[in-house]
Parts: sequence; C-alpha cells; structure tokens
Amino acid sequence: AQSVTQLGSHVSVSEGALVLLRCNYSSSVPPYLFWYVQYPNQGLQLLLKYTTGATLVKGINGFEAEFKKSETSFHLTKPSAHMSDAAEYFCAVSGGATNKLIFGTGTLLAVQP
Amino acid sequence: ETGVTQTPRHLVMGMTNKKSLKCEQHLGHNAMYWYKQSAKKPLELMFVYSLEERVENNSVPSRFSPECPNSSHLFLHLHTLQPEDSALYLCASSQVRSGLYEQYFGPGTRLTVT
Repeated sequence: AQSVTQLGSHVSVSEGALVLLRCNYSSSVPPYLFWYVQYPNQGLQLLLKYTTGATLVKGINGFEAEFKKSETSFHLTKPSAHMSDAAEYFCAVSGGATNKLIFGTGTLLAVQP
Repeated sequence: ETGVTQTPRHLVMGMTNKKSLKCEQHLGHNAMYWYKQSAKKPLELMFVYSLEERVENNSVPSRFSPECPNSSHLFLHLHTLQPEDSALYLCASSQVRSGLYEQYFGPGTRLTVT
C-alpha cells in the first residue's frame, strides 16, 4: 500500500523568503513521486516528478524537490517566494503495475508582501 | 484545443435533474480518470478507465455513472444528486505503462447541487 503525508495544511512565507513544503511517503515498491500545484478554480498542474535517476529534480517556476529514500521524503523547495506562488500544493506517489496516484491532503501556501 | 478540456466549467443542478460532465483529452493518452475534490477533504479518485475499460470504481454511489466511448472522451452522467455531491470534479489522463507516469488534469467542473 502507498500513502503520502503532507506536514502543514497551511504555510505562510514572506515574499523573497525560502519556501519549504514537506512531503513524506510510504511505499512497498520503488516510488514515483510528484508535486502538483492548484491555483484557485483550476485543475492540478504538474510541477515536477521523480521516477528514477537523479534525486534532485527541478521543475517549473523555480521549484525543486529532493528524493531522500532514507528519510522517505520528497520535500518541495523554492529559494525565493513570489506572490504568484500562492496556491495549493499536492504531493503524490505512485508505483507498481498501474500509475494510479495517491495524493496528500495538500498544503495551502500564502505569500505575504 | 490542447491538453485536457472539461465542459461545462460550472453547473448548478437540482436534485431531480439529470446532467452530464464531459472530458476530452488531446494528448494521445490511453487512461482517463474522474476525481472529486471537496472542500477540506483529500482528492478522491472515483473512476479509472484504461484502454476504454473501467478498471476501478471506488465505491461511488450509483447516481454517478461514467462512460468512456473512446480513449479521448470521458463522461460522468449525474442523476438524483444530493447536496453533499457539490464539489469540483476533475478529469485527468495519462499514458499507462509507457514510462510516462504523470497524470494531466483538466480545469474541472464546479458542481453545485441545490
């Protein structure tokens, strides 16, 4: 069975500050990990993914995430927050025979001026 | 049109109405999904179609009836809904077993049941 835990349902940062959104996963098979972003009244947009290979993955809009197997984590970071980053972020895991995604409960990121 | 499109974007319906949500993917994928997103609840996977065959139905009430006539189109037929069915309904598509594991989402249909 697979699961995802996102720590912190709400995170608030100042514009220009580091963004850190936490995601821990549980998986009995090698996981594939994803971060999605959802802006108000829109669908989910893929930010970045980890499948195999390099453990530090870069995505769109300056975001990156590092797969740490020993910590079962896949935290999302961005060095400098922008007002346009305010949105809800979802971590997801898949693996095995199908690519069904298991989503976390989401983290709402607020960016203060 | 590109990506995954959904129509209508907003829908208000009474509990006795019958309506349908439509999803179309322009990505050449072979799997399609319906999700329900309610406020303060995790994203719920409702149905999965792979190669036009329903492979998953997560205990969804029978008042929701999916249809996948071909690999590009997915419908969700709605009848005698309840107010608690008000939510954002998201469609997604993916390419199964090709190494492309991510799902691509449409913008959603905001459903309000009165």
